[in-house]
Amino acid sequence: ELKVEQNPLFLSMQEGKNYTIYCNYSTTSDRLYWYRQDPGKSLESLFVLLSNGAVKQEGRLMASLDTKARLSTLHITAAVHDLSATYFCAGSQGAQKLVFGQGTRLTINP
Amino acid sequence: DAGVTQSPTHLIKTRGQQVTLRCSPKSGHDTVSWYQQALGQGPQFIFQYYEEEERQRGNFPDRFSGHQFPNYSSELNVNALLLGDSALYLCASSLWQAGNTIYFGEGSWLTVV
Repeated sequence: ELKVEQNPLFLSMQEGKNYTIYCNYSTTSDRLYWYRQDPGKSLESLFVLLSNGAVKQEGRLMASLDTKARLSTLHITAAVHDLSATYFCAGSQGAQKLVFGQGTRLTINP
Repeated sequence: DAGVTQSPTHLIKTRGQQVTLRCSPKSGHDTVSWYQQALGQGPQFIFQYYEEEERQRGNFPDRFSGHQFPNYSSELNVNALLLGDSALYLCASSLWQAGNTIYFGEGSWLTVV
């Protein structure tokens, strides 16, 4: 059974700093997903990582996947307040059944 | 291009009652999955529908049931509601054959009192 763990669960950082959220998963996952969720809102798709070594970037966010280590990272560069949200990673096992991590609540302070 | 739409947005039910939540997938998508997200937690997979059949199911009791219609829309039914069923219910939409990106609706907030 696939299990997904994120760390840290809470992250408070200053604007302009860099940081990384880690996502470990327990067994083979077809794909690795990253989502953003604002308070009281739904999940916004950020990245889908399909293969070992995959790297995707959008603005100040960059996600990577190491299938051998069963690790994905979400790197935030020069954080801005608008990136404050909860970030989830999710693995999938067969036919798009997503298994989510606990989420990382990110707060970016001026 | 309409995204994933869900209704109702919010509802309050009493313990023991039954509830039906509805979802229309993104245009062109044929697969609908349902997730339950309790406050402060990650979403948990309930079940998935494709070609009007339940294809996968998570660890949820039989009180949770669903249906998919020929137009790909879907319903989630929960019987004999418990206080612990209070959560955000999310509908996810994708393509069965090429489900790289999975889109979520805005969700239905269910409060059981």
